[in-house]
Amino acid sequence: AQSVAQPEDQVNVAEGNPLTVKCTYSVSGNPYLFWYVQYPNRGLQFLLKYITGDNLVKGSYGFEAEFNKSQTSFHLKKPSALVSDSALYFCAVRGVDILTGGGNKLTFGTGTQLKVEL
Amino acid sequence: DSGVTQTPKHLITATGQRVTLRCSPRSGDLSVYWYQQSLDQGLQFLIQYYNGEERAKGNILERFSAQQFPDLHSELNLSSLELGDSALYFCASSVGASFDQPQHFGDGTRLSIL
Repeated sequence: AQSVAQPEDQVNVAEGNPLTVKCTYSVSGNPYLFWYVQYPNRGLQFLLKYITGDNLVKGSYGFEAEFNKSQTSFHLKKPSALVSDSALYFCAVRGVDILTGGGNKLTFGTGTQLKVEL
Repeated sequence: DSGVTQTPKHLITATGQRVTLRCSPRSGDLSVYWYQQSLDQGLQFLIQYYNGEERAKGNILERFSAQQFPDLHSELNLSSLELGDSALYFCASSVGASFDQPQHFGDGTRLSIL
């Protein structure tokens, strides 16, 4: 079965510093990978996705993510964090499960709370 | 604003009751997805409809059912409610049927079971 791990419940960063939110995945076949952000009392918002091609994907609000097939990782990054980036970030994967043949769904990680402080 | 509308925003009811959550997808989107978000289970995919037909099923309980109507709005019906059903229920929509497209989420319905 496909799975996503976000090893950090919370990441703290100072405004202006670079940030990284980690994500690793497990899936059979080629993964489709996504990052979403959730602000308090709101639904998830799409940030970026990797389907194929360049391993560095650029998304909304200055975020980017790097796909690493050998490490099965898809870490979210931003060169300079803003206080307004403080939110809950979710990594998600869509893949094909060879054992069950299923895969037509997104599996989300447990989320990482990003806190950017002045 | 994602363009996805969910009503009601909050719902408080008792165990054993039945409720209906409603979702209007973004204009032009044919797929509707339902998710449950809780502290212990995280974000769980429940079910997907595409252009009125059930397309994919996730961790949806037998007590729960959904449908998508000809005008593409969708309803999620939860019956014989239990305390553990208390959660935030999200609807999302996308243009096509594939899970490789970005999904646009509503702001959710918070269901509290007393």
